Amino acid sequence: GAGVSQTPSNKVTEKGKYVELRCDPISGHTALYWYRQSLGQGPEFLIYFQGTGAADDSGLPNDRFFAVRPEGSVSTLKIQRTERGDSAVYLCASSFEASNTEAFFGQGTRLTVV
Amino acid sequence: KQEVTQIPAALSVPEGENLVLNCSFTDSAIYNLQWFRQDPGKGLTSLLLIQSSQREQTSGRLNASLDKSSGRSTLYIAASQPGDSATYLCAVRPGGGATNKLIFGTGTLLAVQP
Repeated sequence: GAGVSQTPSNKVTEKGKYVELRCDPISGHTALYWYRQSLGQGPEFLIYFQGTGAADDSGLPNDRFFAVRPEGSVSTLKIQRTERGDSAVYLCASSFEASNTEAFFGQGTRLTVV
Repeated sequence: KQEVTQIPAALSVPEGENLVLNCSFTDSAIYNLQWFRQDPGKGLTSLLLIQSSQREQTSGRLNASLDKSSGRSTLYIAASQPGDSATYLCAVRPGGGATNKLIFGTGTLLAVQP
């Protein structure tokens, strides 16, 4: 596609429910990143994929958060037993390779846990 | 631990003024630095990427400089326009090869008054 696509754009869920957020990176980009942004803050790193494997998952806050990228393209961020504190904008980015290339971001998914 | 700071947190200028946004980082071991623009409720738009070996990058009315040894970058916007109003974020990609995540500052909220 022309850019990074994230779906849904908005998600409202009840506390305790399970949610999945999807990211379609730019075609041909091997690196994919998930970030979380709270109001008034910069994005915070969650997890980075190089191809199908999670090269760095040090930003995942706890074991309720999990992400996959089974075919090295689309990625899904999964949150179990959602809590109100999980409410934020979840941003996905991709880049052609890794360290020295420009990262391009999607429009984000605004998650609200009520 | 790498930390990124942006000053000022908010800035309001009249249309037509030239302005400078500042970004500082605590660890000079970086691969690159990237400036982004974020409109309210939107994702991030990449503006400029400066590799660690570069001193500056230019795109239209934007010029970004990098002084890696002092841990500073500036984004210069010439002849500002109301359409430049947005939050500007800088992010560094740490060196050392351990990860390719971006570490963000909290942003500068710019308002250009017509």
